Amino acid sequence: KAGVTQTPRYLIKTRGQQVTLSCSPISGHRSVSWYQQTPGQGLQFLFEYFSETQRNKGNFPGRFSGRQFSNSRSEMNVSTLELGDSALYLCASSLDRTNTEAFFGQGTRLTVV
Amino acid sequence: DQQVKQNSPSLSVQEGRISILNCDYTNSMFDYFLWYKKYPAEGPTFLISISSIKDKNEDGRFTVFLNKSAKHLSLHIVPSQPGDSAVYFCAATFSGTYKYIFGTGTRLKVLA
Repeated sequence: KAGVTQTPRYLIKTRGQQVTLSCSPISGHRSVSWYQQTPGQGLQFLFEYFSETQRNKGNFPGRFSGRQFSNSRSEMNVSTLELGDSALYLCASSLDRTNTEAFFGQGTRLTVV
Repeated sequence: DQQVKQNSPSLSVQEGRISILNCDYTNSMFDYFLWYKKYPAEGPTFLISISSIKDKNEDGRFTVFLNKSAKHLSLHIVPSQPGDSAVYFCAATFSGTYKYIFGTGTRLKVLA
């Protein structure tokens, strides 16, 4: 069974640009969550999608957005990139049953220069 | 406001001994807790979880203890192995959501 797949693995962008990251969840998983990991802040929740609807949102500016498609694949977009957006972006998928764990992908390492 | 705290950034343990990683939380409404392990350049890997209706959950070498009155959970690894060397994150959430609130992690080093 394939795990959570995130593409690309590494990305370098310039300040002011925008970026789109992709996440393919485990087959059968309908919930997808996104997290940002930075050395200073640890893992911070960005948002969660279920059945193409955003179900939860973290405390990030509106430059961070996402969406989920009918096949449960999800994309995350960051517009007007800032140096502080450099981080590891992690996607997690889950079965959406009470008290089950989320499975994480390997992440996309974004560097903003 | 850090709702989940791991106050020890690092821990070193001899191989074969017990590793105890601690985590404190402030929101008494959290009712599901998880531990993840993370190696560099990889995503977190789920280890073990516990519901707030329990005070202990065991899976092989890993045991998680939950003390609701103290808002404290701990992960015990017995016996510790060099392959356990990684960063360990605790997370808290509410049942029915996957909005995990993570601690800042504890780097465990198991010495051979």
